Amino acid sequence: IQLTQSPSSLSASVGDRVTITCRASQGISSYLAWYQQKPGKAPKLLIYAASTLQSGVPSRFSGSGSGTDFTLTISSLQPEDFATYYCQQLNSYPRTFGQGTKVEIK
Amino acid sequence: EVQLVESGGGLVQPGGSLRLSCAASGFTFSSYDMHWVRQATGKGLEWVSAIGTAGDTYYPGSVKGRFTISRENAKNSLYLQMNSLRAGDTAVYYCARGEYYYDSSGYPKGYAFDIWGQGTMVTVSS
Repeated sequence: IQLTQSPSSLSASVGDRVTITCRASQGISSYLAWYQQKPGKAPKLLIYAASTLQSGVPSRFSGSGSGTDFTLTISSLQPEDFATYYCQQLNSYPRTFGQGTKVEIK
Repeated sequence: EVQLVESGGGLVQPGGSLRLSCAASGFTFSSYDMHWVRQATGKGLEWVSAIGTAGDTYYPGSVKGRFTISRENAKNSLYLQMNSLRAGDTAVYYCARGEYYYDSSGYPKGYAFDIWGQGTMVTVSS
């Protein structure tokens, strides 16, 4: 199963609403997770089951979708949110990742 | 504290072998699937292997037949034996814990890699 994220990168300002999409090449129900990765650090789980916020993750992050189309939204971008975001499908092996979306400061 | 710590990375020549280790602490290691994920410098994440609680293993085509994942529950340890290494295997290798999530009825609703190690660098070069 291939995952296609868009955009590959974006520039945004603090306070902006940001939306990242992830499209699967075939249906994966809600077996999708989103991760945040900062330079030199391991990825951090943000959302699982497409829309459930991992414990400790700020509520400005939200996820939606099912089947083949998914969205990660940051309602009001904060300075600490500038990072790369990856989606991952966990419906079947191999456990593929999207190519990533880099969120940069405008 | 729930923690994963990788070790064993380093410089190896093409065609060589390397064994990575991942030490788990703070949780019942034997109850969880475990995974290896790698990331080449400046590139995205690539899932490398998985081992279930029953010892079942999974690999993508890019490493199948060259890499072997194993676990030693008595030592709370995960391993990745990498043989016939190529320049394209150069990356930071992370171990990660797989967690199942259930709805209020006890029906599985999701899965994710909820705990990650800090990574260990593998460089394949002559």
